Amino acid sequence: DADVTQTPRNRITKTGKRIMLECSQTKGHDRMYWYRQDPGLGLRLIYYSFDVKDINKGEISDGYSVSRQAQAKFSLSLESAIPNQTALYFCATSDPSSAQGVTDTQYFGPGTRLTVL
Amino acid sequence: AQSVTQPDIHITVSEGASLELRCNYSYGATPYLFWYVQSPGQGLQLLLKYFSGDTLVQGIKGFEAEFKRSQSSFNLRKPSVHWSDAAEYFCAVGAPSSGTYKYIFGTGTRLKVLA
Repeated sequence: DADVTQTPRNRITKTGKRIMLECSQTKGHDRMYWYRQDPGLGLRLIYYSFDVKDINKGEISDGYSVSRQAQAKFSLSLESAIPNQTALYFCATSDPSSAQGVTDTQYFGPGTRLTVL
Repeated sequence: AQSVTQPDIHITVSEGASLELRCNYSYGATPYLFWYVQSPGQGLQLLLKYFSGDTLVQGIKGFEAEFKRSQSSFNLRKPSVHWSDAAEYFCAVGAPSSGTYKYIFGTGTRLKVLA
């Protein structure tokens, strides 16, 4: 079984709909992340969480929210989806190797392809 | 501001040929450097990382990378490419800064391998 799972794997929705993407991990890691990947732009950080009570915005958090329900679960919500949120979304985890996380190896889920019409 | 650049969007090599993927970074001190690989339909997987010490680091799948401080580069190499190496490769930089988390990915290089 995969260590980091994402559901759904693919989703097509309409503008204005609320969408939740879910991430679960069995690696026992405290740190979790949400990224979006767009062609030519690489991966950009949306939100990150270093433990259950810690939530931080990344570089592109506008239009998104997150919930850390447990150590193993980290959900990303689009409150009112818009077409430019069409992208591939990745959840990742890491086991702390430094206070700021900059030496952590990140472990990625398989991604969720979201299309907003 | 910290940044990481991968100048090549696409690279095509023949199977058995050597490979070098370029990565340049901008940071005031020595950053923490990573290479990840993304196979089709999958998430990213760590190939190798450099924090300090020997500037030539070995990774999985026969890859290596060399840190060159004078050139602010961390290029990924493989002596002989296999068809299964076709994937997208991302360089990443972990850049400590006061109070904020900085782990920046490059835009990626897509590798195509010709039989």
